[in-house]
Amino acid sequence: DAMVIQNPRYQVTQFGKPVTLSCSQTLNHNVMYWYQQKSSQAPKLLFHYYDKDFNNEADTPDNFQSRRPNTSFCFLDIRSPGLGDAAMYLCATSRDLWGAEGGYTFGSGTRLTVV
Amino acid sequence: GQNIDQPTEMTATEGAIVQINCTYQTSGFNGLFWYQQHAGEAPTFLSYNVLDGLEEKGRFSSFLSRSKGYSYLLLKELQMKDSASYLCAVRDDYQLIWGAGTKLIIKP
Repeated sequence: DAMVIQNPRYQVTQFGKPVTLSCSQTLNHNVMYWYQQKSSQAPKLLFHYYDKDFNNEADTPDNFQSRRPNTSFCFLDIRSPGLGDAAMYLCATSRDLWGAEGGYTFGSGTRLTVV
Repeated sequence: GQNIDQPTEMTATEGAIVQINCTYQTSGFNGLFWYQQHAGEAPTFLSYNVLDGLEEKGRFSSFLSRSKGYSYLLLKELQMKDSASYLCAVRDDYQLIWGAGTKLIIKP
């Protein structure tokens, strides 16, 4: 089945220790997104890629970086995680920008804990 | 500014009907989405409205009034598995703006 896969499902990292979250898709969608979601809050867009075209949200901290080496894979790097970065990180894909054609397909998410 | 409002929480009874409202104020409008999100899981796409009116998909229907900046999601014949958060999201000219979601609690 075509899908979006995030690894790992749960990640525990130490304060200040770099961590990388991964996302892969078999849908061949053009657009990939990284969202941060904290409990009972709206998802917050961090970055998106339209093909190789990278778009960084203005209020995304410099601590967060992203890479998309090819159509299928996208990575979220947190260079120095703080306690405030503990959240669910959601990867999503869509055929077109913002998902007018069929909405987003989300991965299962990675729940990040910072200790 | 850009704003999406949804009730924080609603409670309904198994087998009943519930309507979850969403009002929005955005600089542009190019469609409204509803997503379902079970606790600890990722959202899943439910519906997309770009024109006024009612769209029906099985037990779920979504309504849009662009002139009023208003949408609702109607869930019929509620089942326990419908207990989840329901997120409204609006596509303006530049981005997708998300509401914080409505937590729906289903009681037997």
